[in-house]
Amino acid sequence: NAGVTQTPKFQVLKTGQSMTLQCAQDMNHNSMYWYRQDPGMGLRLIYYSASEGTTDKGEVPNGYNVSRLNKREFSLRLESAAPSQTSVYFCASGGNSPLHFGNGTRLTVT
Amino acid sequence: GENVEQHPSTLSVQEGDSAVIKCTYSDSASNYFPWYKQELGKRPQLIIDIRSNVGEKKDQRIAVTLNKTAKHFSLHITETQPEDSAVYFCAAGGTSYGKLTFGQGTILTVHP
Repeated sequence: NAGVTQTPKFQVLKTGQSMTLQCAQDMNHNSMYWYRQDPGMGLRLIYYSASEGTTDKGEVPNGYNVSRLNKREFSLRLESAAPSQTSVYFCASGGNSPLHFGNGTRLTVT
Repeated sequence: GENVEQHPSTLSVQEGDSAVIKCTYSDSASNYFPWYKQELGKRPQLIIDIRSNVGEKKDQRIAVTLNKTAKHFSLHITETQPEDSAVYFCAAGGTSYGKLTFGQGTILTVHP
């Protein structure tokens, strides 16, 4: 039982490049979330998926897209990375139970 | 939308002392208030949570109090230990456990 698994752990991109952050959970949770964490700002919700087949914007969705591929997987895509997207990204799952976070992806955009 | 303010941003205590972290929220519809602990380089982990129909909840050395009228809630850690050193985040949310608004975090340092 791995919980919430995120890949990759680290990534460096150049401005304008694209990439997809992967997330999978094996806890049979209905809801999944993407947060970003920046120093002094706590965690901010980017997008979430309340259930398979649905996605909604969170507090800071600009520059991102998401796909809820199935109940287990929820990916986050940066189409054209910008330095302002340098951050630590956390995927989480929950819904009818408290939020459980993955180990995070540290992304640097130069 | 919801806004959560957390104070202090840093807190330094001696081992054995108590530590208190306070949060205020703006949306009266919020009814779920978790606290997360994050060690350096690790993921946030839930340490305690409370729902709005409860005023106080305790789990060993950790307690959370909620004042819905004043829209504030607090984390209390008694008999602090060096392993309590971490960043602590409060959060507020509605019906969904995961659609949370987080505070800015408190860096707690417990000196042996």
